[in-house]
Amino acid sequence: LAKTTQPISMDSYEGQEVNITCSHNNIATNDYITWYQQFPSQGPRFIIQGYKTKVTNEVASLFIPADRKSSTLSLPRVSLSDTAVYYCLVGAREVGNTPLVFGKGTRLSVIA
Amino acid sequence: DAGVIQSPRHEVTEMGQEVTLRCKPISGHDYLFWYRQTMMRGLELLIYFNNNVPIDDSGMPEDRFSAKMPNASFSTLKIQPSEPRDSAVYFCASSLSWQQPMNTEAFFGQGTRLTVV
Repeated sequence: LAKTTQPISMDSYEGQEVNITCSHNNIATNDYITWYQQFPSQGPRFIIQGYKTKVTNEVASLFIPADRKSSTLSLPRVSLSDTAVYYCLVGAREVGNTPLVFGKGTRLSVIA
Repeated sequence: DAGVIQSPRHEVTEMGQEVTLRCKPISGHDYLFWYRQTMMRGLELLIYFNNNVPIDDSGMPEDRFSAKMPNASFSTLKIQPSEPRDSAVYFCASSLSWQQPMNTEAFFGQGTRLTVV
C-alpha cells in the first residue's frame, strides 16, 4: 500500500478556503486517492475519491496533478462544523478486497 | 437504512472481565470491518469478513481478542480477559462487494467507547 504523508494539523478561520495536501510518492498505477472525514465521537465518512485531474462534489474538490504523487483536498468557505480529522488514503478504488488503511490524518480546527 | 449500528455506545468494565461488542452492518453489504482507534495508534484495522467468513485477522492484537459473524446481519468482537490497554473506541464498518460498481466507500458505525479500569 502506498504510504501517505499529510500535515498533522491545520487552523483556519470561518469562511476561508482550506487546502490539505497529501503526498503519496509511491502511488501505483491502479491506485485511487480517497479522502475521509471524521468528526469528534463519530466514525469516519467518505468525502471524495479521484484518480487524476479534478473531482468535485457538494462537499469538496480534489485536485490531482499529472504525476499523481500528491493530491489536495479543497474545502470551500469552511464553517465551524468542518472541524474534523481528514484522512488521505491511497489504494484500490473499491473497498473490501483491499480494506481501508488509515494514517494519522490532518486535524482541522476552524476558528470563528 | 439506519446505517451501521453498534452497541453498546459506551462500556466500562473492570480488568479481567469479558467484553462483547456488537455490530449490525447495513443490509446487503458483503464486507464487515472492525477497527480500533486510540490517540497513540490512530485507526487500526483488526479484522474483516466477507460474506460472514473472516478474511484477514492479522490486525487482532492478541489471542484475547476474537470476532465472529454468525450471519449477514450481526457480528461480535469479544475481549477476554480485558485489560486497561484495551481502552479505545472500537468501530465497525461495512461495504458492498468490491465487485459492485458503486463500492467506493465504507460506512462506519458510531463506535463503542470501551474503558477498562
